[in-house]
Amino acid sequence: QVKLQQSGAELVKPGASVKLSCKTSGYTFSTSYMSWFKQIPGQSIEWIGMIYAGDGGTGYNQKFKGKATLTVDTSSSTAYMDLSSLTTEDSAVYFCAEGYNYPYVMDAWGQGASVTVSS
Amino acid sequence: DIQMTQSPASLSASLEEIVTITCQASQNIGNWLAWYQQKPGKSPQLLIYGTTSLADGVPSRFSGSRSGTQYSLKISRLQVEDIGIYYCQQASSTPLTFGSGTKLEIK
Repeated sequence: QVKLQQSGAELVKPGASVKLSCKTSGYTFSTSYMSWFKQIPGQSIEWIGMIYAGDGGTGYNQKFKGKATLTVDTSSSTAYMDLSSLTTEDSAVYFCAEGYNYPYVMDAWGQGASVTVSS
Repeated sequence: DIQMTQSPASLSASLEEIVTITCQASQNIGNWLAWYQQKPGKSPQLLIYGTTSLADGVPSRFSGSRSGTQYSLKISRLQVEDIGIYYCQQASSTPLTFGSGTKLEIK
């Protein structure tokens, strides 16, 4: 059974950074493609970027370049997303999701992690 | 970027009724279209991929179709458990993009 377990809610100050994690199980992480998404409550879903766990290769939405950095740790089957220079506009729920059949189709999603940026 | 124009924004229908949601792609995406359902406070769940293929465990009352660059999701007999927000997503090229969502309620 494929499972993606995300880290918990974060309350951070403007200008700070935060690192979210997504621990996976139930499939071969080392050859998988992990995407990250942003959703502001009441709004649609935005794709932030994707990482291939096999070699750490990444692709980003231009909108999030410089804001998000994706990494993986294959030894623990965990994906990470660093968000830097946070502003109130970064307050949202962030999801990791896996396209293990087709990289661009999300078969499995994490439960989401809420990030609140506030002083 | 490929724009996905989804309609309607909200929909209220009776149980057992047929419901249709549409998405218009701004350019050719072939059959690279997926549909997701999201319930309040939960993550999206894959319903349909490749325009017409049902994801594992999805009831057969859900179906997808395409006419040119217009894509449709049909629920043949609406059930209580179908309430939620539905999103289309183009899976043709990055950046992956989603429709604005359709909020489905029971009348």
